[in-house]
Amino acid sequence: AQSVAQPEDQVNVAEGNPLTVKCTYSVSGNPYLFWYVQYPNRGLQFLLKYITGDNLVKGSYGFEAEFNKSQTSFHLKKPSALVSDSALYFCAVRENTNAGKSTFGDGTTLTVKP
Amino acid sequence: DVKVTQSSRYLVKRTGEKVFLECVQDMDHENMFWYRQDPGLGLRLIYFSYDVKMKEKGDIPEGYSVSREKKERFSLILESASTNQTSMYLCASSLSRDTLPYTFGSGTRLTVV
Repeated sequence: AQSVAQPEDQVNVAEGNPLTVKCTYSVSGNPYLFWYVQYPNRGLQFLLKYITGDNLVKGSYGFEAEFNKSQTSFHLKKPSALVSDSALYFCAVRENTNAGKSTFGDGTTLTVKP
Repeated sequence: DVKVTQSSRYLVKRTGEKVFLECVQDMDHENMFWYRQDPGLGLRLIYFSYDVKMKEKGDIPEGYSVSREKKERFSLILESASTNQTSMYLCASSLSRDTLPYTFGSGTRLTVV
């Protein structure tokens, strides 16, 4: 069975500072990993994914994530946070043998203060 | 851009009613999913479908059923609504290749009174 953990319910950072939102996963095979963002009263929007290749992947809005196989982690990062980055962030994992079904973490609320 | 449209943003239903939540996607995606989202619990998969007339149970199927008579439409049915089904319901779709992300609808916030 596959699972995802987002250990922090809430992350607070000051505008202009770097941010990290943590994610760890568990799968039996090679993982496909995704980050999504949700703004209030909206559906989730895709940010970035890791399938294979470089461990550092870049996505929308200046976000990036680092895949670490030994630590089974896929942390979301941004060098300089904006107030508009404040939202709910979800990490998701999909086994490459599990034909499309993803498991999501519980979500992390990011608040960026001016 | 792919669009996933959920027919209602907000719904209020009474306990015991049969409730239909509709989801339509316009890009010929094979896979469609229904999740519910509750604070602190993330997204939990209710049902999913890989093709027309095909359905699979997710992690929390009890009290729900689904219908996929056409490729573009995936309906979630609450057979007899209960207050513990008050939640945000999210529909998603994707192409059959596993490497592609989901496209989500805007969600339906259902309140059962």
